[in-house]
Amino acid sequence: GAVVSQHPSWVICKSGTSVKIECRSLDFQATTMFWYRQFPKQSLMLMATSNEGSKATYEQGVEKDKFLINHASLTLSTLTVTSAHPEDSSFYICSAAGTDTQYFGPGTRLTVL
Amino acid sequence: DQQVKQNSPSLSVQEGRISILNCDYTNSMFDYFLWYKKYPAEGPTFLISISSIKDKNEDGRFTVFLNKSAKHLSLHIVPSQPGDSAVYFCAAQFTGANNLFFGTGTRLTVIP
Repeated sequence: GAVVSQHPSWVICKSGTSVKIECRSLDFQATTMFWYRQFPKQSLMLMATSNEGSKATYEQGVEKDKFLINHASLTLSTLTVTSAHPEDSSFYICSAAGTDTQYFGPGTRLTVL
Repeated sequence: DQQVKQNSPSLSVQEGRISILNCDYTNSMFDYFLWYKKYPAEGPTFLISISSIKDKNEDGRFTVFLNKSAKHLSLHIVPSQPGDSAVYFCAAQFTGANNLFFGTGTRLTVIP
């Protein structure tokens, strides 16, 4: 199947700093990528839909100024958590839309101290 | 509001027996359903899907059943293997839309 990578796989940062997470589709071009967040023992919740060359579409309740998304190319989308706080600690997963399904990255564990 | 629900957070099955994972949804407009398997600290991997025009789809040891009138789908794994131990998410999708609505997951443990 298609491969989607995420970097970093885990990150620990201090409260107030910003963290950038990269999502890359390695063997196909993805005009649409998605960012999900998963809390412990909870479902994956869609945060935003990222379309190459245009602004991301955020789900209700997700602060677009806090979670900055950039989809600069057909193989790369980035999520920047700005001024991170402990409540932002979570598992962030991206996916890239293929022809028939979404292909998920391995996820990034963010811990904000 | 959780539109896709998996009411069993965990399931334990003996190796070789059948595993049945259940999923319910509330929105009758969903027309495509998927099952994903997830290991800890990894992203979900696609397992099997079914369109709303079908009631069954089979792929090797995995079979998904869809009961539209009950808004219910299930994933059957037979025979279950220890390597099947993971968290299984069902997901639903609308026609023409890319975003997925996920259930809360069921942790399957296959006991050798």
